[in-house]
Amino acid sequence: KNEVEQSPQNLTAQEGEFITINCSYSVGISALHWLQQHPGGGIVSLFMLSSGKKKHGRLIATINIQEKHSSLHITASHPRDSAVYICAVNPFGNEKLTFGTGTRLTIIP
Amino acid sequence: DSGVTQTPKHLITATGQRVTLRCSPRSGDLSVYWYQQSLDQGLQFLIQYYNGEERAKGNILERFSAQQFPDLHSELNLSSLELGDSALYFCASSVGDRVWGSYEQYFGPGTRLTVT
Repeated sequence: KNEVEQSPQNLTAQEGEFITINCSYSVGISALHWLQQHPGGGIVSLFMLSSGKKKHGRLIATINIQEKHSSLHITASHPRDSAVYICAVNPFGNEKLTFGTGTRLTIIP
Repeated sequence: DSGVTQTPKHLITATGQRVTLRCSPRSGDLSVYWYQQSLDQGLQFLIQYYNGEERAKGNILERFSAQQFPDLHSELNLSSLELGDSALYFCASSVGDRVWGSYEQYFGPGTRLTVT
């Protein structure tokens, strides 16, 4: 069993829909990261969370430390949001990132 | 643009060969991380350097080695290459210096290595 599990693996939605991607982890962590990887391959860090909620534009990330769960929400989704979204965690005691397998999001115009 | 640069962008080489991938971190960042992304394994942490010293090691093969130079750029050396080493290799940097704690990481554009 992976330490970091994401769901769904693939998600296709219409433009404008509200999107939720989930991440569950099994170890104690000091932080959780949400990353975005575009079709060209480049990786962008979207959020780093250790508690609560963060918002940046149309993106919102939440984390529940007790339940070991995080969600990434996209409001008013747009075709340019199409990418792979990757959840990664920093287990306690080190700065190594452990990655989920990613969620491939496709937004149809 | 994350401020992290990687060269080369693409590399095609034959089995058994040796290659060097280069990474320059963002200005002011002291930590450099190397990651491998292959189709079947996803993203995996390889190794971290902080201010010239090895800080953490992940799933790095013995055929691979890395170092960080005084000017803080880093090189990842891959030797005795096998077909399975074909992957995207990312470098990331952060300010981070503590073992306990986490810092946002900024990723470079990656080097796509193809071993034929």
